[in-house]
Amino acid sequence: KNEVEQSPQNLTAQEGEFITINCSYSVGISALHWLQQHPGGGIVSLFMLSSGKKKHGRLIATINIQEKHSSLHITASHPRDSAVYICAVRSNTGNQFYFGTGTSLTVIP
Amino acid sequence: DSGVTQTPKHLITATGQRVTLRCSPRSGDLSVYWYQQSLDQGLQFLIQYYNGEERAKGNILERFSAQQFPDLHSELNLSSLELGDSALYFCASSVGSSATQETQYFGPGTRLLVL
Repeated sequence: KNEVEQSPQNLTAQEGEFITINCSYSVGISALHWLQQHPGGGIVSLFMLSSGKKKHGRLIATINIQEKHSSLHITASHPRDSAVYICAVRSNTGNQFYFGTGTSLTVIP
Repeated sequence: DSGVTQTPKHLITATGQRVTLRCSPRSGDLSVYWYQQSLDQGLQFLIQYYNGEERAKGNILERFSAQQFPDLHSELNLSSLELGDSALYFCASSVGSSATQETQYFGPGTRLLVL
């Protein structure tokens, strides 16, 4: 049983396209994280959300607590956005972290 | 550069051996988290320490243990190593332990290969 489900698993886009990655979770949470992992392996935290919406540059993250769903949007995608995007949640019981399997994004020039 | 350092970068060892991975958090961060990333299981949470005390425990095997020292650096000890322990081990740090203080900064990882 996966506490966190992401879709799609793989995504190829043309440069400039608007991209959406979805994350659904089944546990009660205190926070949801969006992470970016580049081909070299390094991980960067993009957002931490407990409600509403956050924006950073061309990236927007939203969360709907009632529906247990979050989306990560990338506007005007660029080849440098090519990476694996991982959704993670911190459960509000036991303080566990659960991870999605990631969405592999390739942006073609 | 996240400010989190991990040593060593790479480690090759044999089954049955014991290794220690080290993590130094960002200056001012009190929480340290350990994660394992393997090809078949993805990212898994192992354990969190906050200011020297264990805060949360995930899928950490009994053969693994961790601690956080007074200077806030942390060590993850892996013993009786098995082939399946081969993975990338990440450390991350954050300012605090509450949900609003948990933006995590990840180290570069230690790649462990058990032969």
